[in-house]
Amino acid sequence: DQQVKQNSPSLSVQEGRISILNCDYTNSMFDYFLWYKKYPAEGPTFLISISSIKDKNEDGRFTVFLNKSAKHLSLHIVPSQPGDSAVYFCAASAQSGANNLFFGTGTRLTVIP
Amino acid sequence: NAGVTQTPKFQVLKTGQSMTLQCAQDMNHEYMSWYRQDPGMGLRLIHYSVGAGITDQGEVPNGYNVSRSTTEDFPLRLLSAAPSQTSVYFCASSYSKGQALSYTFGSGTRLTVV
Repeated sequence: DQQVKQNSPSLSVQEGRISILNCDYTNSMFDYFLWYKKYPAEGPTFLISISSIKDKNEDGRFTVFLNKSAKHLSLHIVPSQPGDSAVYFCAASAQSGANNLFFGTGTRLTVIP
Repeated sequence: NAGVTQTPKFQVLKTGQSMTLQCAQDMNHEYMSWYRQDPGMGLRLIHYSVGAGITDQGEVPNGYNVSRSTTEDFPLRLLSAAPSQTSVYFCASSYSKGQALSYTFGSGTRLTVV
C-alpha cells in the first residue's frame, strides 16, 4: 500500500508563475520529508527537505510546507522557470528506523516559456 | 567527483541469466540502498545496508541478493532474471546528522530482461 502519495501525475505552469506540487502521506511515524527532482536518464537529485519539527523551509525559489495534522506537504516554486521542467518526487522517512525513504509516484512539471 | 557510481548504465539479459549491478560510493557513508523505478510508480526499496556486513530487505526484495563487504561497495545480484525485473535501478548512499538526512543517488542502471 502506497504510504506516500502524489495524486497529480502532471502539472503545467506558465513561466514566472508559481508551481505548487502536493504530497500526502499515511504513516504518522514519518518525521522527515524530502523533495527530489529527476530528469530523464539521470538519478534523482535532492532539492529541499523539512523535518517534522518545522512547518516551513525555504531555499531560494523553493519552499516546502508541512501540515502534520493533515499529513500533507507541498512544494512551491516561485517563479517557475523552463529549467524546472522535470519529474518531482516526494519522499518520507521515519528517523527512528533505518532512515529508509518511501517515495511518491512523482509529478511531471512542465513550465511553459 | 565524489558521489555514487553505478555500472553498467544499460544491460539486456535473457530470462534466467544472472548478473550483478555494481554500486560504489566515495563519501564514507554508512547507509546504502537499492531502489527500482517502474513506470507510473515511485522508487521502491529493494535492499539496504546500515554498514559493512549488515544488510536487510526492503519493500521488494524477491529475486535479488546483496552483500556489503566494504563501506564503499554495495552490489545487487539478480539470481535468475525475469521479465518482471525489467526496470531502472538506482543505488543510493546516505547519512543522517541530527535532524537532517542526506541521500545521494547514482545515475541508474536500465535493465531489460527478454
